[in-house]
Parts: sequence; structure tokens; C-alpha cells
Amino acid sequence: GQSLEQPSEVTAVEGAIVQINCTYQTSGFYGLSWYQQHDGGAPTFLSYNALDGLEETGRFSSFLSRSDSYGYLLLQELQMKDSASYFCAVTDDKIIFGKGTRLHILP
Amino acid sequence: DGGITQSPKYLFRKEGQNVTLSCEQNLNHDAMYWYRQDPGQGLRLIYYSQIVNDFQKGDIAEGYSVSREKKESFPLTVTSAQKNPTAFYLCASSITGGGNYGYTFGSGTRLTVV
Repeated sequence: GQSLEQPSEVTAVEGAIVQINCTYQTSGFYGLSWYQQHDGGAPTFLSYNALDGLEETGRFSSFLSRSDSYGYLLLQELQMKDSASYFCAVTDDKIIFGKGTRLHILP
Repeated sequence: DGGITQSPKYLFRKEGQNVTLSCEQNLNHDAMYWYRQDPGQGLRLIYYSQIVNDFQKGDIAEGYSVSREKKESFPLTVTSAQKNPTAFYLCASSITGGGNYGYTFGSGTRLTVV
């Protein structure tokens, strides 16, 4: 079967750094993606890792280790607008999403 | 501007009625997808289509049907056979399998069956 595991909730302070982990077990694998979804809104694409290593896009970075079936999303200099749910997703011939991590940010 | 349009945003239906959710994209994407999201849950794949006149079942296809007669359109019908249809439905599209360019999502349709 296919499964993705990520924490259901994470809490951090404004201005701090937070890491959201994701482990996966899938039959096929092309890459790991991350999406952000604010309450009531549509998911928006953040990043994609096909190869091992760290990809940086502004305040957000994403890491992948294919040998460990593991990745994470790193958010730096947290802002209140970063309060949202974050989904990791594995790309095969389609995308399978995890259940999401709700990020709470304290002032 | 290019994007995906889902309509309507809110939809109410009586139990036992079929209902069709619209999804139109002008991004010239080949692949289109339908996901269902329940409160506090992730996205579960209902159906996907990688080319016109062809589509595949996702993980929770029972009680749903789709068609892909045009590249731009991928309507989803929620039939009376779907046991628990009340949910947030999201349509997405991508260039290929959705890898490094990601999916573009519509704003969703919130279906309530009473």
C-alpha cells in the first residue's frame, strides 16, 4: 500500500524556524512535493524534490532523502500569514497527499 | 489570466439526487484530477485523466463518475450511490504527472447533501 506520515499539528513562535517532517511508503516514486492550504482555500504548490538534498525558495526550504524515504519542509522567519496546513505529497503517475500538518504560529 | 474555475462554490442537494460539479481550465494542461477533502483530512484522489477521452479511477472512485470530452473540461458527477457525499471537492490540473511544476488547484466546491 501507499502511505505518507506527517505530524498532525505543529506550533511555533513568530520569527522562529519550524520543520515539518514527512515519511513515505509508496509503490512508485518520482519526487516529493509540498503544498500550503489556508482555511477554506485551495492548496498551493510550494516545492518539489526529485533528488536528494535541499531546495531553497525564499523563506521555505525542502529536503529529500530517497534512501530514508524521508523529507521535510523548513520554514524560516515565521510570519502569522504562514499559519496554514502543509501537505507533503508523493508523485508517481499521479500525486498522493499526506493528511497534512496544521501549523499554529504564536505571536 | 490562466487558471482553473470550479463552479459553484457552494452546492446543496437532497439525498438521492445526482449532482455534477464543473471544472474548467485554460492552462492548456493535459492532466486533470478530482480530489475530495473532509474536515481535518488530507486530499483523497477520486479520478484523474491524463488525456482527452481517457480517465482512471483513484482511491475512492465508488459513487462518482467523470468525463473528459474536451481538454479544458473535467466534470465530476456525484451519484446517489455515494454514501457520504458531503465534502469539499477540489479539481486540479498539471502539465504532465504533476511533478516539478506541481498541480494548480481550483478554489473548490463545497457540497452539502441534506
